[in-house]
Amino acid sequence: DVKVTQSSRYLVKRTGEKVFLECVQDMDHENMFWYRQDPGLGLRLIYFSYDVKMKEKGDIPEGYSVSREKKERFSLILESASTNQTSMYLCASSPRTSGRAGYNEQFFGPGTRLTVL
Amino acid sequence: AQSVTQLDSHVSVSEGTPVLLRCNYSSSYSPSLFWYVQHPNKGLQLLLKYTSAATLVKGINGFEAEFKKSETSFHLTKPSAHMSDAAEYFCVVGKYNFNKFYFGSGTKLNVKP
Repeated sequence: DVKVTQSSRYLVKRTGEKVFLECVQDMDHENMFWYRQDPGLGLRLIYFSYDVKMKEKGDIPEGYSVSREKKERFSLILESASTNQTSMYLCASSPRTSGRAGYNEQFFGPGTRLTVL
Repeated sequence: AQSVTQLDSHVSVSEGTPVLLRCNYSSSYSPSLFWYVQHPNKGLQLLLKYTSAATLVKGINGFEAEFKKSETSFHLTKPSAHMSDAAEYFCVVGKYNFNKFYFGSGTKLNVKP
């Protein structure tokens, strides 16, 4: 079974702190994603990575950065946390195949509920 | 451009009755479509996916969905609801080539005893 793990289930931080959210997958997937989930808004893509050291902005990248130094690990960084970044953060991974790569399903981690005070 | 609209934010059914969760999409090409389920405090789990093979797609736990191109719809159905089906359901459209996915806002399914 594909397993995607996230470093924390719950996290409480203060405004202005630097926050690291870690995600690890064990199925050698090329693609990894960070989403935030807010009530009534579904999931919104923050960043995704299609290879080591490669990244692309999603729909809401402002206030976030990412790092992918190893294939299995994708980190989300909040450089200076703000209260409007209080949310559920979900990591996902998917394989990349040739051709119609958009048809591959994503595998999700359990999520990190971040509260910024 | 791609987008997904889930027509109901909340659906309530009685146990043993049919479930219908509605999803409409827009896509500039033949889309890939998915339904995911999220139980409380859990990550998302794939229910089923459409990838241009059969238009009627069967998934796990008795769910199925029908792709209707003329109506740009991909509604999720189940003949008989079970208490364990209570969860939030997301319809998702995939973007060809770049592995980007667009999520609907979700439908919370409540199952009454």
